[in-house]
Amino acid sequence: AQSVTQLDSHVSVSEGTPVLLRCNYSSSYSPSLFWYVQHPNKGLQLLLKYTSAATLVKGINGFEAEFKKSETSFHLTKPSAHMSDAAEYFCVVSVAGGYQKVTFGTGTKLQVIP
Amino acid sequence: GAVVSQHPSWVICKSGTSVKIECRSLDFQATTMFWYRQFPKQSLMLMATSNEGSKATYEQGVEKDKFLINHASLTLSTLTVTSAHPEDSSFYICSARDQQDRGETQYFGPGTRLLVL
Repeated sequence: AQSVTQLDSHVSVSEGTPVLLRCNYSSSYSPSLFWYVQHPNKGLQLLLKYTSAATLVKGINGFEAEFKKSETSFHLTKPSAHMSDAAEYFCVVSVAGGYQKVTFGTGTKLQVIP
Repeated sequence: GAVVSQHPSWVICKSGTSVKIECRSLDFQATTMFWYRQFPKQSLMLMATSNEGSKATYEQGVEKDKFLINHASLTLSTLTVTSAHPEDSSFYICSARDQQDRGETQYFGPGTRLLVL
């Protein structure tokens, strides 16, 4: 069994300040972890992924995430928020093995205040 | 690279009609495609996993006869909503997994918004 918990449904930051979107997961197997971003009425865009290589993963648009097995976390960060970062962010856990099982978090809406 | 398209992006139909949504991987081959449904302000709900050349695997609670999935080639999967009703109105998103990608990344299409009147 696996699950994903995004701890905040809504995060509000001022432009230029750091962003932290929290994600905790549980999985019986070694998971792959992803962060996706969704702008209104759009599909999902891959920000970054962790697949058992380096625990600190750098993605697009200045985002990065750190896989911490001891804390079962995969928090998404960015040093300085930009107005264009305002969107919905989804943390996803995936386990392979014949039938790929993918579980989405409930999403975190990021608001960036000018 | 890794672009997935969906067609149409918007569809409005009358209750009782059927609607077909196409999902294409444009620059890679996808042995596996996924179909999701997203309600307003909610996360994605996996409906089914589509494997090229075989029957789709549906999630619990998803009606197979209602949501017909065909994955006839390595670049195309279709979802047909049969006898659509207003409660089927939703945002449908497909994703595809690159056959060469062992990291299990899914690449998402832009979504199709269905409105059933």
